[in-house]
Amino acid sequence: DAKTTQPPSMDCAEGRAANLPCNHSTISGNEYVYWYRQIHSQGPQYIIHGLKNNETNEMASLIITEDRKSSTLILPHATLRDTAVYYCIVRVVSGNTPLVFGKGTRLSVIA
Amino acid sequence: GAVVSQHPSWVICKSGTSVKIECRSLDFQATTMFWYRQFPKQSLMLMATSNEGSKATYEQGVEKDKFLINHASLTLSTLTVTSAHPEDSSFYICSARPSGRDNEQFFGPGTRLTVL
Repeated sequence: DAKTTQPPSMDCAEGRAANLPCNHSTISGNEYVYWYRQIHSQGPQYIIHGLKNNETNEMASLIITEDRKSSTLILPHATLRDTAVYYCIVRVVSGNTPLVFGKGTRLSVIA
Repeated sequence: GAVVSQHPSWVICKSGTSVKIECRSLDFQATTMFWYRQFPKQSLMLMATSNEGSKATYEQGVEKDKFLINHASLTLSTLTVTSAHPEDSSFYICSARPSGRDNEQFFGPGTRLTVL
């Protein structure tokens, strides 16, 4: 079972920041937080991951609370191409441990 | 880098026939690969984990004799749906983990299977 809770859907105006929340209150100390997104009828695309520090890359920023029980994915300037289902996943980093997907958040970017 | 391909991208078959789906890691070696399936408007469901040269580990409720997985090389895994039925129609997605890079996992574009 997925160990994360996300809102089922969100809207965001084009050009504005999209802030996607994720609750993972039962996260273990050795579990990382991963974010992937899936555009319709495609395979999931990696966005970002982190353990406890905030992370930023060319796609997004990941803000993890100090107690690690929740996190927020930030897309700084959403475009129409960011419309997708966003999945927050917690996972122990080891060779065979798979990514287990929850229901995700369907983000709609509106012009 | 880190490209995973799947072939075919879509397939239509008759009930009772078998279908093979290939998954390749194009620019890296993958000791571990995963197979997922996704029904319309649902999330991805993990079917099995395969390690190169070993038997796959199937998730509860996935029939290993129906969904045959072969991971014979570090760049290729195949999923064969045997005696397919309409309820097997789904979007099948493979994923590969680069050898020695346990924090990464990359996904293929998916294969749409329709069983008539």
